Amino acid sequence: AQSVAQPEDQVNVAEGNPLTVKCTYSVSGNPYLFWYVQYPNRGLQFLLKYITGDNLVKGSYGFEAEFNKSQTSFHLKKPSALVSDSALYFCAVRLQIKAAGNKLTFGGGTRVLVKP
Amino acid sequence: SAVISQKPSRDICQRGTSLTIQCQVDSQVTMMFWYRQQPGQSLTLIATANQGSEATYESGFVIDKFPISRPNLTFSTLTVSNMSPEDSSIYLCSVQASGEAKNIQYFGAGTRLSVL
Repeated sequence: AQSVAQPEDQVNVAEGNPLTVKCTYSVSGNPYLFWYVQYPNRGLQFLLKYITGDNLVKGSYGFEAEFNKSQTSFHLKKPSALVSDSALYFCAVRLQIKAAGNKLTFGGGTRVLVKP
Repeated sequence: SAVISQKPSRDICQRGTSLTIQCQVDSQVTMMFWYRQQPGQSLTLIATANQGSEATYESGFVIDKFPISRPNLTFSTLTVSNMSPEDSSIYLCSVQASGEAKNIQYFGAGTRLSVL
């Protein structure tokens, strides 16, 4: 079984300050990890992924995430948050092995509110 | 990335009726998925839509309630049958990308369903 935890329901940050959204995962094997963002009344937009290689991955809109295997974490970060980053963020995991199919398991989501 | 169109974008339905949601992709894709996002919650996979064969349903979801069609590699439908207020959710279609982005799932904008 695979699972994802996003321990914070909401993160509040002032515009211009660093933003971190936490994610930990549990899988029986090597994971593929993803971050998605959902704006009001919109579908999910892909931000970034970790497949293999460099533990620090860079994605859209200035976001990055660091894969930490020992801590089973994949926290999303942005050095300087914008008001327009206010949205709902989802972390997701799937197993690398083909037998597991392509099923994505999502975390509960973290609402980010960036205040001017 | 693939361009995914979902119709309708929203609907309000009466208890006991059925609604069919359409998902159209601008390119041929092998894998299509249907997810449910209940109010204030995360995404849960309903089923994988297989071209030329029956959909593969996740635990807790059955074909009689959520029949799925996949007539070709660019189109799928999800029907929510005999609806009750508990079916009020956002239903999202997603596709597994190919080529360089092959490990990424892209999502449609979703169908917001309210059942009275």
